[in-house]
Amino acid sequence: DAMVIQNPRYQVTQFGKPVTLSCSQTLNHNVMYWYQQKSSQAPKLLFHYYDKDFNNEADTPDNFQSRRPNTSFCFLDIRSPGLGDAAMYLCATSRDFDDEQFFGPGTRLTVL
Amino acid sequence: ILNVEQSPQSLHVQEGDSTNFTCSFPSSNFYALHWYRWETAKSPEALFVMTLNGDEKKKGRISATLNTKEGYSYLYIKGSQPEDSATYLCAFYNQGGKLIFGQGTELSVKP
Repeated sequence: DAMVIQNPRYQVTQFGKPVTLSCSQTLNHNVMYWYQQKSSQAPKLLFHYYDKDFNNEADTPDNFQSRRPNTSFCFLDIRSPGLGDAAMYLCATSRDFDDEQFFGPGTRLTVL
Repeated sequence: ILNVEQSPQSLHVQEGDSTNFTCSFPSSNFYALHWYRWETAKSPEALFVMTLNGDEKKKGRISATLNTKEGYSYLYIKGSQPEDSATYLCAFYNQGGKLIFGQGTELSVKP
């Protein structure tokens, strides 16, 4: 059974058109993470939540926002996608910071 | 800046070959080293979480070693099978509380 679910798996948007990616978990984990992976590069952490506490990485563009309305769900909002935002977006969860992370299958974002 | 480097970037082997690849990471402020396997269209899946210098972990035909003093880990696959084809990611967890990934080694095993 899927434990970390991401929707949609593939998302196509237009330059400048806001888009929201969704992640849900059935593990009841405290921490949820969003990573961005561009082709042949390492996944890069954008931000994470520990419960409701939000931590933004210093180099995450302002264009990227996140919401976590409850333990199970976390959203990634891209306010004005640019061509450079085309990437695979991975959601992950862990019980605590130093625990193994469980990943969703990712959402591949295309920006036209 | 913390860098995690993996080599080679890609690897093509025949079924039955044994193979290994490397992850190098900063040796200071070490907390843990994670290995993940990422098959196409699936979720990255944790293989090993290694914390102690000299650790050696094994899962079936896959094993990994860890040297925290010199900052490297090796992943070995014995008798590769087509189903081992995937990207293998390592990630360094430092005492700052963040997982930093390498770019991965893409393994292709031909029947």
